[in-house]
Amino acid sequence: DAGVIQSPRHEVTEMGQEVTLRCKPISGHDYLFWYRQTMMRGLELLIYFNNNVPIDDSGMPEDRFSAKMPNASFSTLKIQPSEPRDSAVYFCASRGLGNQPQHFGDGTRLSIL
Amino acid sequence: DQQVKQNSPSLSVQEGRISILNCDYTNSMFDYFLWYKKYPAEGPTFLISISSIKDKNEDGRFTVFLNKSAKHLSLHIVPSQPGDSAVYFCAASAWGAQKLVFGQGTRLTINP
Repeated sequence: DAGVIQSPRHEVTEMGQEVTLRCKPISGHDYLFWYRQTMMRGLELLIYFNNNVPIDDSGMPEDRFSAKMPNASFSTLKIQPSEPRDSAVYFCASRGLGNQPQHFGDGTRLSIL
Repeated sequence: DQQVKQNSPSLSVQEGRISILNCDYTNSMFDYFLWYKKYPAEGPTFLISISSIKDKNEDGRFTVFLNKSAKHLSLHIVPSQPGDSAVYFCAASAWGAQKLVFGQGTRLTINP
């Protein structure tokens, strides 16, 4: 079975540019989560969706960040404009119903110069 | 405010011995706990979980112990193998809640 798929795996761009990170969850999973991992703050939840609807975006750092889930098999996390402090590894995770564990993708390593 | 704490950034254990990783939490609403394992350049992988109605859960070489009164859980790996070398994250949530709160991780190194 394919796991959670994220693209790109690495992104290097200049400050001020728009960055779009993509995620394909595991088929049949109803929940999708976006996380950010940094040395300072560890692994922190940015936003999560249930059945394509954003439920909690309280972890989104500021208005420069936005996330969408147009259908059950695709989600994007966009940063516009990007800043050097956005450099981090961004993970997407999905899970099914009940108390199932979240399954993570391999992440996107983002570097903003 | 760190609600989930892993106070040991690293741990080194000899192959074949027991590895014990510790985790403390402060939020009394947490009642579901998970351990994830992470290799470099990969995402965290689920290892084992425990709900607050239990004090122990075992899966092969991995056992998680929960002490609710102390707000403490631990992961025991026995016997430790070289492939267990990774970063281990403790995570917690309130039952029925979707949000997981992660600890900072402990890097485990198994020495041959």
